Amino acid sequence: QSALTQPASVSGSPGQSITISCTGTSRDVGSYNLVSWYQHHPGEVPKLIIFEVTKRPSGVSDRFSASKSGNTASLTIFGLQAEDEADYYCCSFAGSFAYWIFGGGTKLTVL
Amino acid sequence: EEQLVESGGGLVQPGGSLRLSCTASGFAFSNYNMNWVRLAPGKGLEWISYINSHSSSIYYADSVKGRFTISRDNAKNSLSLQMNTLRAEDTSLYYCVRNSGRDAFDIWGHGTMVTVSS
Repeated sequence: QSALTQPASVSGSPGQSITISCTGTSRDVGSYNLVSWYQHHPGEVPKLIIFEVTKRPSGVSDRFSASKSGNTASLTIFGLQAEDEADYYCCSFAGSFAYWIFGGGTKLTVL
Repeated sequence: EEQLVESGGGLVQPGGSLRLSCTASGFAFSNYNMNWVRLAPGKGLEWISYINSHSSSIYYADSVKGRFTISRDNAKNSLSLQMNTLRAEDTSLYYCVRNSGRDAFDIWGHGTMVTVSS
């Protein structure tokens, strides 16, 4: 049950866009359209920002967009703002193989 | 307001046991599947256990299988995690988390810290 692979860190300047990748396998990301993304400001509660690969919960900014191709999912944040600085985690359902697997997390720094 | 509040964390010696609890409010707890997810210091999130709304389906991550037991009491709006044979690597912040029904985790508690150390 290895974690999904995410870059350890990404950075961008205010107003720019960044993309975080999340690579799994054909047993998880590649098999199910059940990838979700979470924003976690340390010391606060993780927040669901994307579910079912591309969908945003009510109240989540449309600056967050996501997609999937094969075994890799991606989260793009447009128009970076200082408040976007946080840890981001992807997660995929993996069936009876491992149920739910998180990525290792990506620390986003807004320069 | 939909809310989850965990309790029961603390310091325990290796090999010891601890029972975590989670109380739900602001939503129909009995209609939702629930999970425990943990965050170890300096590491990432790890899903560890799931229980469906009627307790008829229960899953565990391999890292805790055979040592941890999840349960729920819908009459009391509560979720529990019995943790036995604890190891240093179980040291984490443990979150009680609701399944949205779309296989995503939409409501999180603030977590309860478990430290396994002699």
